[in-house]
Amino acid sequence: DGGITQSPKYLFRKEGQNVTLSCEQNLNHDAMYWYRQDPGQGLRLIYYSQIVNDFQKGDIAEGYSVSREKKESFPLTVTSAQKNPTAFYLCASSSLTGSDEQYFGPGTRLTVT
Amino acid sequence: GNSVTQMEGPVTLSEEAFLTINCTYTATGYPSLFWYVQYPGEGLQLLLKATKADDKGSNKGFEATYRKETTSFHLEKGSVQVSDSAVYFCALRGTYAGNMLTFGGGTRLMVKP
Repeated sequence: DGGITQSPKYLFRKEGQNVTLSCEQNLNHDAMYWYRQDPGQGLRLIYYSQIVNDFQKGDIAEGYSVSREKKESFPLTVTSAQKNPTAFYLCASSSLTGSDEQYFGPGTRLTVT
Repeated sequence: GNSVTQMEGPVTLSEEAFLTINCTYTATGYPSLFWYVQYPGEGLQLLLKATKADDKGSNKGFEATYRKETTSFHLEKGSVQVSDSAVYFCALRGTYAGNMLTFGGGTRLMVKP
């Protein structure tokens, strides 16, 4: 089945450690996105990429980094510089032609203590 | 810039009640409008969309009409079920925003038997 996978579903880290969240899609989409969701709030865009080896900052990129070495993969690293990293992280992808719908993965809940 | 405003929740209804979740937007040009649904602990799923004024999106008994004159895209359902309990997000894709989505803050719906 085509879709987006994120792993792991739950992740626990100590403060000061970097952590990388995985996102893989087999939908052959050119564009991929990372969002952060805090309790009771909407989604905020962290980074997005529309082509391999290129990506742009979203609204809240500070303390995060990404790479896009393959079309299918868009990992997000939460660095120790991110002041409040505990959140629910959602990855999405979309085609850049035709339908403008974004497809979302199941999310990773990161807890940093 | 683009923005989306949703009514704050939670919205609590009894089964078979009528549902309205208000959504208004601010955008330049001719945005596409979306409703996404998020079930507990999961990612977002597209519920319905509309791409031009007066279009009605519908799915699973839910519907919303793109009203350019009132810049609104209210979500309605005639008879809710317990299984409709979720968080609902209104979103827009601006004319000049590539495939970027701007989300509202989300509205939690709780349906009691």
